[in-house]
Amino acid sequence: EDKVVQSPLSLVVHEGDTVTLNCSYEVTNFRSLLWYKQEKKAPTFLFMLTSSGIEKKSGRLSSILDKKELFSILNITATQTGDSAVYLCAGGYMEYGNKLVFGAGTILRVKS
Amino acid sequence: DAGVIQSPRHEVTEMGQEVTLRCKPISGHDYLFWYRQTMMRGLELLIYFNNNVPIDDSGMPEDRFSAKMPNASFSTLKIQPSEPRDSAVYFCASSSRAGITGELFFGEGSRLTVL
Repeated sequence: EDKVVQSPLSLVVHEGDTVTLNCSYEVTNFRSLLWYKQEKKAPTFLFMLTSSGIEKKSGRLSSILDKKELFSILNITATQTGDSAVYLCAGGYMEYGNKLVFGAGTILRVKS
Repeated sequence: DAGVIQSPRHEVTEMGQEVTLRCKPISGHDYLFWYRQTMMRGLELLIYFNNNVPIDDSGMPEDRFSAKMPNASFSTLKIQPSEPRDSAVYFCASSSRAGITGELFFGEGSRLTVL
């Protein structure tokens, strides 16, 4: 049973489109939800969410957490080819101290 | 800051050989994590340290894997003997907080191929 499930697994869009990436998570010992972007190398941090309903925004990217329905979304507006990457969602769990569990990721490809 | 530094960047070895991966975390970070990434299993936490002490090693696949952090600026992940199924990208990450409450800073990874 996966603690963190992302959808879709992959997505192809055209420049200028808006995309929504989904992440659902298990609630037991849940503490936080984090989004990372991975291009060719290491994942880089995008957002951390701990409170329900409060949108976090950075440029064309935004994210929100719904602790009632146990999911988060990552929105990207006016997509650019540079947004092509794997987007990883991770749940922070208070197990054995602290544990960050990653989903399988969503592969986003933005075509020009 | 130089960021998290890992070495080697690429390693190709034969089954049965010992492999040692190295990591230098960001100075001042108290937490160090070792992750493994494969196409099949995604990004998996192997072990993490707090103040050089291993806190959770439940992700270490088996006894062939071991990790040490002799001081605040250096950690190793060792596989002995290596097997083809160990082929993956191994990431080291560090953080000033526990990871679930703050950003992890990842190194560029060590790509291991075991023939």
